[in-house]
Amino acid sequence: SQKIEQNSEALNIQEGKTATLTCNYTNYSPAYLQWYRQDPGRGPVFLLLIRENEKEKRKERLKVTFDTTLKQSLFHITASQPADSATYLCALPPRDGGYNKLIFGAGTRLAVHP
Amino acid sequence: EAGVTQFPSHSVIEKGQTVTLRCDPISGHDNLYWYRRVMGKEIKFLLHFVKESKQDESGMPNNRFLAERTGGTYSTLKVQPAELEDSGVYFCASRLGRNSYEQYFGPGTRLTVT
Repeated sequence: SQKIEQNSEALNIQEGKTATLTCNYTNYSPAYLQWYRQDPGRGPVFLLLIRENEKEKRKERLKVTFDTTLKQSLFHITASQPADSATYLCALPPRDGGYNKLIFGAGTRLAVHP
Repeated sequence: EAGVTQFPSHSVIEKGQTVTLRCDPISGHDNLYWYRRVMGKEIKFLLHFVKESKQDESGMPNNRFLAERTGGTYSTLKVQPAELEDSGVYFCASRLGRNSYEQYFGPGTRLTVT
């Protein structure tokens, strides 16, 4: 079955540094991959989508890469700020594709310290 | 533009009782999804509506769960009778249409079954 792995341990970094989060998946090749941010007590918020034919996508201080050979996506936040502290979720469509459900990773908690 | 809203934000019920959760998607979004996060686990898909039709209900745990979307606007998710393992956070998300992938999530309903 499809499986998504994200670092379960929290990532602690200093303000101003670059945070890098990892999403690994197995058993199939998704057409795209999404990253969401979730704050405590809130629902996930969409950040970026990257398609299988794109190597890299940027949005302001965010950068996502998608390596379909390694079956891995990296999510970078440059010049991190304490306000970036949250849980970041990787999500993929199911093996049968389409526009239906998303399969989520467990998320990685990021803490940016002043 | 108003976001996805969910009601109630928190519900505490006893085992065997009935609870109905409500979701109001973003106006004009044909696609509506229900997801659930149980303690310590990742967010998991429950079902997907396109307008008033159930497109995919493969994630519904059992027949104690009933979802409806009358008129293709708001949706309800009823749990009857509730069991202890139904406790968790229930998220609703909506998506505009075929060529947009991002899902907009509501704040969730935290259900506690005692």
